[in-house]
Amino acid sequence: DGGITQSPKYLFRKEGQNVTLSCEQNLNHDAMYWYRQDPGQGLRLIYYSQIVNDFQKGDIAEGYSVSREKKESFPLTVTSAQKNPTAFYLCASSGGQWEETQYFGPGTRLLVL
Amino acid sequence: DAKTTQPTSMDCAEGRAANLPCNHSTISGNEYVYWYRQIHSQGPQYIIHGLKNNETNEMASLIITEDRKSSTLILPHATLRDTAVYYCIVRVQYSDSGYALNFGKGTSLLVTP
Repeated sequence: DGGITQSPKYLFRKEGQNVTLSCEQNLNHDAMYWYRQDPGQGLRLIYYSQIVNDFQKGDIAEGYSVSREKKESFPLTVTSAQKNPTAFYLCASSGGQWEETQYFGPGTRLLVL
Repeated sequence: DAKTTQPTSMDCAEGRAANLPCNHSTISGNEYVYWYRQIHSQGPQYIIHGLKNNETNEMASLIITEDRKSSTLILPHATLRDTAVYYCIVRVQYSDSGYALNFGKGTSLLVTP
């Protein structure tokens, strides 16, 4: 089945620790995105990547880093510089063209211990 | 960037049509209107999108006014499983080729027996 997978479903972070959230897609999509969602709020863009080896900051990139070494994969690292990392993290992908629809993964919930 | 305005919440009886309104008075001529929904703690699900003509698919219908300043998502026969937060979205463009979805808080639809 084609789709987007995110792992793990739940992730716990200790103070001062970096953690990496996985996002993989087998839709052959060029573009991939990371969003953050806080309780009762909409989604906010963290980073996006239109092609391999290229990515751009979104609205709330501080404290996060990404890489795009393969078309299928777009991991997000939540660094210790992100002071309020507890949130629901969503990965999405699209064909990259103007009209193309974005499709979302199931999300990873990050909690700070 | 075009923004959208939606009611915070709506109720609908099971089996009846659910009509969800959205205002997007600053939308540009080439911007599409997208609708997604999100069931609690899951990734957003794409429903439908349109530019200026009305659209219909197996999930819903989208009615866009002639001046494109507002639209209505119609779920023709709502079921309890349609209870979710519904987002009306106009794209945000970050660069010549980079764009993302500008999620607001959406409309929380409750379908009742």
